Amino acid sequence: DIVMTQTPLSLSVTPGQPASISCKSSQSLLHSDGKTYLYWYLQKPGQSPQLLIYEVSNRFSGVPDRFSGSGSGTDFTLKISRVEAEDVGVYYCMQSIQLPPITFGQGTRLEIK
Amino acid sequence: QVHLVESGGGVVQPGRSLRLSCAASGFTFSNYGMHWVRQPPGKGLEWVAVIWYDGSNKYYADSVKGRFTISRDNSKNTLYLQMNSLRAEDTAVYYCARDEVGKLLFWGQGMLVTVSS
Repeated sequence: DIVMTQTPLSLSVTPGQPASISCKSSQSLLHSDGKTYLYWYLQKPGQSPQLLIYEVSNRFSGVPDRFSGSGSGTDFTLKISRVEAEDVGVYYCMQSIQLPPITFGQGTRLEIK
Repeated sequence: QVHLVESGGGVVQPGRSLRLSCAASGFTFSNYGMHWVRQPPGKGLEWVAVIWYDGSNKYYADSVKGRFTISRDNSKNTLYLQMNSLRAEDTAVYYCARDEVGKLLFWGQGMLVTVSS
């Protein structure tokens, strides 16, 4: 199974300040079709997970442009340029290059200072 | 508008069975693969199972293989998860989610399953 390792596991950020979350996979997520099957989700309190970023760096429809994703191979990063109060929740990276199983990172809890 | 609504959860004793349903609307259900993902209370996300759009292929997490069965009825736009021989560690919120070329794009609101005597 591909292991997804996120750091840090928690973040406390002042509104307006940037935040960054790292996700490392135990195997390359680059497929022979040229796509990299790495996704970022946000689970807000009491809600289902929602897709933020797909294939490393593509923002899903309606996701604010303060969210950005980068990386390649086995190392990936989610950045929030200016954190807002509505960004609180748990962020997960996920891989689907290998199925089964799809695997998630442990999650990174973001709180506002 | 895509809508996924889980039902069938509740409290069940260890060793017993339960069947979850996921009613889909707002899209052509028979065109999409579907997943079950679960989340134990206060913990992270764990993928459970996937079924191809036509039911031709099914895959499971090792933790549920041989105990859980994913199925679908495309005529009823409904996804199922039959859970047998339930254990305390199966206690979780169970989500159904629509596959879209590798990403889980739309999720249901989740259904709590509690395995306890």
